[in-house]
Amino acid sequence: KQEVTQIPAALSVPEGENLVLNCSFTDSAIYNLQWFRQDPGKGLTSLLLIQSSQREQTSGRLNASLDKSSGRSTLYIAASQPGDSATYLCAVGGYSTLTFGKGTMLLVSP
Amino acid sequence: EAQVTQNPRYLITVTGKKLTVTCSQNMNHEYMSWYRQDPGLGLRQIYYSMNVEVTDKGDVPEGYKVSRKEKRNFPLILESPSPNQTSLYFCASSSLAGGPHEQYFGPGTRLTVT
Repeated sequence: KQEVTQIPAALSVPEGENLVLNCSFTDSAIYNLQWFRQDPGKGLTSLLLIQSSQREQTSGRLNASLDKSSGRSTLYIAASQPGDSATYLCAVGGYSTLTFGKGTMLLVSP
Repeated sequence: EAQVTQNPRYLITVTGKKLTVTCSQNMNHEYMSWYRQDPGLGLRQIYYSMNVEVTDKGDVPEGYKVSRKEKRNFPLILESPSPNQTSLYFCASSSLAGGPHEQYFGPGTRLTVT
């Protein structure tokens, strides 16, 4: 059964820093990997989708990488802003399900 | 606008009173799924459907029912809700053309069972 781990569980940084969130998974037989953002008590906002054949995807200040063989993905956030404060979820896509990590809670202070 | 809608958004009910949470998508997606989110446990899949009349259990199906009579709708039914079903519920959909694609999530339904 797929297991997804996100490290760190929480992260606090000053505004302007570049940061990396980590996601690891146990079964490399995946179709894709999605990164989501979730504000407290709110829904999921999809940030980036990486297909299993891809190595990385970029959207604005966000860059996600995927190394299927080692079971790892990273989400890089450049020049962090207070508005980036949220919980970031990594979800690994099998054929019939997404398996989620428990998330990294990010706080960016002004 | 492409979207997944859920209703109601908030619901407070009592133990044993049957309820249905509706989910609808306008993207002609084959795949639909229900997840619940609980503090410390993350998001877990309840049921999923690969197409009309095709449903299957996820990781935590006990106490829930689903049906997929139309492609756009995937209601979640709690026949006899209990307090341990208090949770935040999300519906999602995805195209399966050429393999699984990005999953789109609804806004969530916060359910409280007293």
